[in-house]
Amino acid sequence: EAGVAQSPRYKIIEKRQSVAFWCNPISGHATLYWYQQILGQGPKLLIQFQNNGVVDDSQLPKDRFSAERLKGVDSTLKIQPAKLEDSAVYLCASSPLGDRVSEAFFGQGTRLTVV
Amino acid sequence: GQSLEQPSEVTAVEGAIVQINCTYQTSGFYGLSWYQQHDGGAPTFLSYNALDGLEETGRFSSFLSRSDSYGYLLLQELQMKDSASYFCAVRSSGGYQKVTFGTGTKLQVIP
Repeated sequence: EAGVAQSPRYKIIEKRQSVAFWCNPISGHATLYWYQQILGQGPKLLIQFQNNGVVDDSQLPKDRFSAERLKGVDSTLKIQPAKLEDSAVYLCASSPLGDRVSEAFFGQGTRLTVV
Repeated sequence: GQSLEQPSEVTAVEGAIVQINCTYQTSGFYGLSWYQQHDGGAPTFLSYNALDGLEETGRFSSFLSRSDSYGYLLLQELQMKDSASYFCAVRSSGGYQKVTFGTGTKLQVIP
């Protein structure tokens, strides 16, 4: 089974520029997560989709971050404009629905450096 | 909201046993997971506890006490490749299942 795919793997941009990340979850997984992981910290949930609807975006800085999940499959996360403190790894994860679900499957992440 | 506490760093000798503790505060607790992350890699799932007690998976075991809001990951017969960061993560419910990660414990295995 193919894993969670993310692109690009690395991105360097100047502050105030915009950037977009793409995620293709595991086929059939209804839940998709975007996490931000700053060096030395745990992943912080930015937004969670269930199918193509947002169920949690309480920690998403909505003045600069946006995300969408097209047709309940692929997802994009955008930052506009970027700030220095946005430098982090952006991780996408997916999981199937169900009460017995215990595991989230992660992609390799996109390492963003804002200079 | 949710909060999780773990030790920031642990050092242990190859072949030994190490325990990484996690205490949590959350509403709508559903279960506690453990993930391993090597430097530059993605988090990978290790174990999950929804009920009190010990779950064993090879060299790794995980324990949960719901009444104490506490869990731990036990790694036995440590190998050098076990050097990584270990995160506990709370799965909470409330209409949808949300996974919140702790700050992580960096384990260094030394010869």
